[in-house]
Amino acid sequence: KQEVTQIPAALSVPEGENLVLNCSFTDSAIYNLQWFRQDPGKGLTSLLLIQSSQREQTSGRLNASLDKSSGRSTLYIAASQPGDSATYLCAVSGGGADGLTFGKGTHLIIQP
Amino acid sequence: GAGVSQSPRYKVAKRGQDVALRCDPISGHVSLFWYQQALGQGPEFLTYFQNEAQLDKSGLPSDRFFAERPEGSVSTLKIQRTQQEDSAVYLCASSTSAGAPYNEQFFGPGTRLTVL
Repeated sequence: KQEVTQIPAALSVPEGENLVLNCSFTDSAIYNLQWFRQDPGKGLTSLLLIQSSQREQTSGRLNASLDKSSGRSTLYIAASQPGDSATYLCAVSGGGADGLTFGKGTHLIIQP
Repeated sequence: GAGVSQSPRYKVAKRGQDVALRCDPISGHVSLFWYQQALGQGPEFLTYFQNEAQLDKSGLPSDRFFAERPEGSVSTLKIQRTQQEDSAVYLCASSTSAGAPYNEQFFGPGTRLTVL
């Protein structure tokens, strides 16, 4: 059964810093990996989707990388802002499952 | 266009009551998914539809949970005889085409169910 782990569980940094969120998964037979953002009491907003054949995707200040063989992904946030404060979730598809398998998330706080 | 919508946004039920949660996917999306998110946890897969066919219901936690999508568009998740452990946010997602694992999923805002 696929398992997804996110480290750290929580992170608090001053505004302006660059930061990295980590995601690992146990079954490398994935089709894609998505990073989501979840604000308190809200649904999930898709940030980046990386297909299994890709190594990275970029959107604005966000860059996500994928190393499928080692079962790892990172989300890099450049020049963090207070508006980036949220919970960030990593999810993989495939590995024998029809739905996405999620990690527990990283709760990020950017201090003004 | 409009995103995925869910109703109600909040539902409070007394233990033992039946509830029905509705999901309106993005128009034309073939695949529809339901997830359950407990407090402080990531979402967990419940069930998957391709059009009106329920192709995977392996994540439904008990036979009290039932989902349908009779016309291949709107879906309803029904929970019978609710228990306190059913308290969670129920998320619906849709994607453009068949082949569940391949495509990007778009999520609704969720329904927060509280069972007293």
